[in-house]
Formats: sequence, structure tokens, C-alpha cells
Amino acid sequence: KAGVTQTPRYLIKTRGQQVTLSCSPISGHRSVSWYQQTPGQGLQFLFEYFSETQRNKGNFPGRFSGRQFSNSRSEMNVSTLELGDSALYLCASSLEGLGSTDTQYFGPGTRLTVL
Amino acid sequence: SQKIEQNSEALNIQEGKTATLTCNYTNYSPAYLQWYRQDPGRGPVFLLLIRENEKEKRKERLKVTFDTTLKQSLFHITASQPADSATYLCALGVDNYGQNFVFGPGTRLSVLP
Repeated sequence: KAGVTQTPRYLIKTRGQQVTLSCSPISGHRSVSWYQQTPGQGLQFLFEYFSETQRNKGNFPGRFSGRQFSNSRSEMNVSTLELGDSALYLCASSLEGLGSTDTQYFGPGTRLTVL
Repeated sequence: SQKIEQNSEALNIQEGKTATLTCNYTNYSPAYLQWYRQDPGRGPVFLLLIRENEKEKRKERLKVTFDTTLKQSLFHITASQPADSATYLCALGVDNYGQNFVFGPGTRLSVLP
């Protein structure tokens, strides 16, 4: 079974631009969660989507948004990029999502650099 | 304020010993707690989940305890091996399908041969 894939793997943007990251979950998984990882703040939860609905949300500004399609693929969008948005963005998929006993499987991440 | 801490940034132990990692939290009422392993340049790998009404969970050489009175979880790796060297992260689920999911800063474990 193919694992979680994220595209692109690396991205360089400038301040003020917007970016869209993509995550393809494991086949059959309905939950996709997104995380930001930085050396200073560690791993922080952004949001979770389940069956095309946002079910959980972390404490990030509205510039961070996402969506999930009917095939469970998910996209994350960051508008008006700031230098502090430079990070590794990880997504994870599972059958029933956060709170269940299902394993979350993480993708390799997208490394975003904002100049 | 709400806080989640892991006992130390780095922990070195000898091969064959038991590694014990600590996760403490303040001002959270987690419904469950998870432990993950992360290797450099890779995404975290889920290890174990323990719910608030469970005291202990085991999986092969791994054992997790959860004390909601002490607001603490302990993660044990018995008969540790150099391959166990990685960063270990705890994460709190505040509610079942709730509003937040919080990771600790992680502990970098090195198992020395």
C-alpha cells in the first residue's frame, strides 16, 4: 500500500506570496491532519479534515486554510506569507482520525522557505 | 497557562537498559495521549495511544503509563538498542474529536552501544 505523499517536497517563496501544498492520504483513509514543524516551536497542529469537513483546528491565524476533496486528498493554503512561516509542513492520514485508536501515518513533509 | 513538557531535551543511555521518557502537562484535560518517534528528516511515526481512563498500555518493548492526577505520562523502552535512537514526542488530544491536538517539544534519545 502506498504511503502518504506530499507535493512539492521543497518550495521557496517570497514574503507576501501565497502557497498551496498538497497531501495524498493512504487509500481508504478519511482523515487528513496538517502540522507545522519549526526548530523553535516544535510540531504544531494546524487542522484536521474528515470526509471533506474541518473537524479540528489549532491556534493558527486565518491565513492558514485547508480543504479536503471527495477522494480525501487535501490541500493547505497559506496566504500573505511571512518569514516566520518557513517550516516543514507535515500531513498525516488515518482511517478515523484524531482521538480514535487508528494509527496516524505521516508524509515526508514539504519544506517551505520564505525569503 | 497551558504547557506540555518532556523531561529533557536529550537522554543518553547504555544499550540493554530501560529508557524512561516523561511527558508532563499543565492546564489541559486530555482525553488521550499519544507517543511518536521521529528520525531526522522524516515525519513522525505513531507508536502508542493511551486514553484518560487507561493506566498502562504495552506494545512489544514499549510501555506507556498515564496518570491524570499527576498530569504525567511515562514512556518506557525496555532492552534498548542503538536503533531506538530518535526523537520521541508526546501529544495530547484535548477532546475526542475535539478542538486541539498538542505536541510536546520532544526528547532526543541516544542509545549507546
